[in-house]
Amino acid sequence: GAGVSQSPRYKVAKRGQDVALRCDPISGHVSLFWYQQALGQGPEFLTYFQNEAQLDKSGLPSDRFFAERPEGSVSTLKIQRTQQEDSAVYLCASSLYRGGGPGPQHFGDGTRLSIL
Amino acid sequence: AQTVTQSQPEMSVQEAETVTLSCTYDTSESDYYLFWYKQPPSRQMILVIRQEAYKQQNATENRFSVNFQKAAKSFSLKISDSQLGDAAMYFCAYLDIIQGAQKLVFGQGTRLTINP
Repeated sequence: GAGVSQSPRYKVAKRGQDVALRCDPISGHVSLFWYQQALGQGPEFLTYFQNEAQLDKSGLPSDRFFAERPEGSVSTLKIQRTQQEDSAVYLCASSLYRGGGPGPQHFGDGTRLSIL
Repeated sequence: AQTVTQSQPEMSVQEAETVTLSCTYDTSESDYYLFWYKQPPSRQMILVIRQEAYKQQNATENRFSVNFQKAAKSFSLKISDSQLGDAAMYFCAYLDIIQGAQKLVFGQGTRLTINP
């Protein structure tokens, strides 16, 4: 597609449920990123893939968060045993460049996750 | 760790006038990139302008320009001839390119309102 596509756009889950968020990057983009954006805040880095390799997962807040990109294209962010503090917008971005490149990162519309 | 600070939570400007959004950052690196992103209510982060730290010339993109002061670690965004469509959250972001790091570090954002 022309841009980064994320689904679902909205997700409501009960505390304790598992959720999976999907990201389709721009075709041919090597790098893929996940960010978490709390209400009224700037996005915060979660994890980074170069092709299928997860090169940086330093931003994942706990071991309940897991991300994968098995074929170097589509990525899934999974959150297990969701907690209320997981409520946020989850943004996916992709970039044509490998590590050390100048960015810029192209963002999707995000998934708004609400945990009840 | 690098930090980005936007000290203006909200700004407003009359349509057709000029407004400047402030951003400061903290880093010990000498080579990096700085960005301004715009986030309308649709949530998609849209790249407005990019500055390479090694370039002394300030970046410009049509009505958007930056004042990059490397020694002061300041990176402000000037919007000339403001238009109603410029209303959005604006985020300043830092990208460290050392050792292939790719994560963007965002400020807290400035909400810009355009008064007709």
